Amino acid sequence: DIQMTQSPSSLSASVGDRVTITCRASQSISSYLNWYQQQPGKAPKLLIYAASSLQSGVPSRFSGSGSGTDFTLTISSLQPEDFATYYCQQTYSTPQTFGQGTKVEIK
Amino acid sequence: QVQLQESGPGLVKPSETLSLTCTVSGGSISGYYWTWIRQPAGKGLEWIGRIYTSGSTNYNPSLKSRVTMSVDTSKNNFSLKLTSVTAADTAVYYCARSSSSSDLDYWGQGTLVTVSS
Repeated sequence: DIQMTQSPSSLSASVGDRVTITCRASQSISSYLNWYQQQPGKAPKLLIYAASSLQSGVPSRFSGSGSGTDFTLTISSLQPEDFATYYCQQTYSTPQTFGQGTKVEIK
Repeated sequence: QVQLQESGPGLVKPSETLSLTCTVSGGSISGYYWTWIRQPAGKGLEWIGRIYTSGSTNYNPSLKSRVTMSVDTSKNNFSLKLTSVTAADTAVYYCARSSSSSDLDYWGQGTLVTVSS
């Protein structure tokens, strides 16, 4: 199985901050990398697919980059509704695997 | 707008079989992979497996011996069966659609399944 490792596991930030979350794959996955946001008690929501493509309806403050083994999710200016847990997912091979999650908390 | 809704018992006894159905509305089930994911309380997401509308499946090897997925295109739904459950199978179970880009673009709201006697 391909292991996905996110860092940090959690972070505290203020509204307006620029936030960066990284995801590293245990082997090359090309650009088969997606990012999801999960609010408490809710299903995950797709933010970024194919490493850098913004899902329809997602605010442009979210962006993704990377290829191969190293990927980044950036929130350019954190908004109150962005406090949530973020997961990366590889779809290069089955079983598809997720990172352990990064919880973004209010500072 | 595509919507997915999980249904099934919220309580299953140890050693019995967990059975869930996901009903798709607002769009056709044909031509997509349909996926099951689970999430134990306070933990991360685990991919259980997926089924194409032809019936072709991919299962997580960690669960493969206990998992069966099926699809009913006439009813626009797909199903999950997990046999010989234990407390470790207690989780929120989600169904989701896998788009042509392989991402999970539509999700059900999730259903909590508790394994307990």
